[in-house]
Amino acid sequence: GENVEQHPSTLSVQEGDSAVIKCTYSDSASNYFPWYKQELGKRPQLIIDIRSNVGEKKDQRIAVTLNKTAKHFSLHITETQPEDSAVYFCAASGGTNAGKSTFGDGTTLTVKP
Amino acid sequence: GAVVSQHPSWVICKSGTSVKIECRSLDFQATTMFWYRQFPKQSLMLMATSNEGSKATYEQGVEKDKFLINHASLTLSTLTVTSAHPEDSSFYICSARDWALRDTQYFGPGTRLTVL
Repeated sequence: GENVEQHPSTLSVQEGDSAVIKCTYSDSASNYFPWYKQELGKRPQLIIDIRSNVGEKKDQRIAVTLNKTAKHFSLHITETQPEDSAVYFCAASGGTNAGKSTFGDGTTLTVKP
Repeated sequence: GAVVSQHPSWVICKSGTSVKIECRSLDFQATTMFWYRQFPKQSLMLMATSNEGSKATYEQGVEKDKFLINHASLTLSTLTVTSAHPEDSSFYICSARDWALRDTQYFGPGTRLTVL
């Protein structure tokens, strides 16, 4: 089945700096890669996603890049703000386990004011 | 749009009792719903995939007789934790997939279960 590895597990940045979180996946057939933000005690919220036919997608301060050959994708947050502090999860789906999402272990992002 | 509700948001029960958790898609039809379990500071662990009108598919290691899942309509799936024990205490989250949006999953707010 699919295996997703996420790095780093914790990330601390100064307000205004950029943050980058990276994920690798094992199933070359996976074709959908969402990113979720989860605040303490709350539900994961989809913040951006990318499909395998696209290399990059941007939504205001958030961008995701995908390298299918290397089987890795990354989340980029620019001009970070304290409210960006949360746990971020990457996921992969659509491969041999079609429909099911495999999640990374999460990255705890702290943005210091 | 794409709102998923979950009820109850928290529940405390005695060991040996059963607890039912409901997951509803409020403004879309969800042919597939997923049930996850999340321990503190850990990732989401998929327990089972629930398809409307058919039996749920459980992940390896998840006891289907303990975690009963029913998906009777396109907007409702239920998870029943039978004969709950303290080790079943956890945060249970459902998600629903909008068939029109293919793979996109929307999560419910979660249910905090504490078994005494």
